[in-house]
Amino acid sequence: DIQMTQSPSSLSASVGDRVTITCRASQSISSYLNWYQQKPGKAPKLLIYAASSLQSGVPSRFSGSGSGTDFTLTISSLQPEDFATYYCQQSYSTGWTFGQGTKLEIK
Amino acid sequence: QVTLRESGPALVKPTQTLTLTCTFSGFSLSTSGMCVSWVRQPPGKALEWLALIDWDDDKYYSTSLKTRLTISKDTSKNQVVLTMTNMDPVDTATYYCARTERYSGTNAFDIWGQGTMVTVSS
Repeated sequence: DIQMTQSPSSLSASVGDRVTITCRASQSISSYLNWYQQKPGKAPKLLIYAASSLQSGVPSRFSGSGSGTDFTLTISSLQPEDFATYYCQQSYSTGWTFGQGTKLEIK
Repeated sequence: QVTLRESGPALVKPTQTLTLTCTFSGFSLSTSGMCVSWVRQPPGKALEWLALIDWDDDKYYSTSLKTRLTISKDTSKNQVVLTMTNMDPVDTATYYCARTERYSGTNAFDIWGQGTMVTVSS
């Protein structure tokens, strides 16, 4: 199975900050990388698919980049509602693995 | 509007078999490219993909759990069923079902159910 490793595991930031979360795959997954946001007690929400495509209805402050094994999720200017846990997930091969998550907290 | 909803027991005993049902609306699992997966999340831990069934009735399972899992669909009822045998306390988790459109869509889990919490305890 393809392993997905996110960094950092947790992150403290302030409203208005620019934040970047990294996801690394154990082998090349082309651009088959998706990002989700999850708030406590809620189901995950798709933010970015195919590494850089913004899901409908998601604010443009969210962006994704990367290909091969290294990917990033960037939030250009943090808003109060963005404090949550973020997961990457590969859809390159079945055995669709997730990263361990990055918890974004208010500084 | 696409929706999914999980149902099943909230409590199962160790060694028992868990059966969960995902009832969906707003799409057909007989449409080319459509898939439904099960994903779980133990309390305070990360998401774990379990199984996927597609429009062609192909089935895929987590490598680590495949001996315990069976996924099936009833297209006429718009339902996907997951069974997990030999339940253990470590299987305590919220279980989600989620949709994927593989070809014309995102190839990601774009719509999720609300989740159902399952506790394994004697």
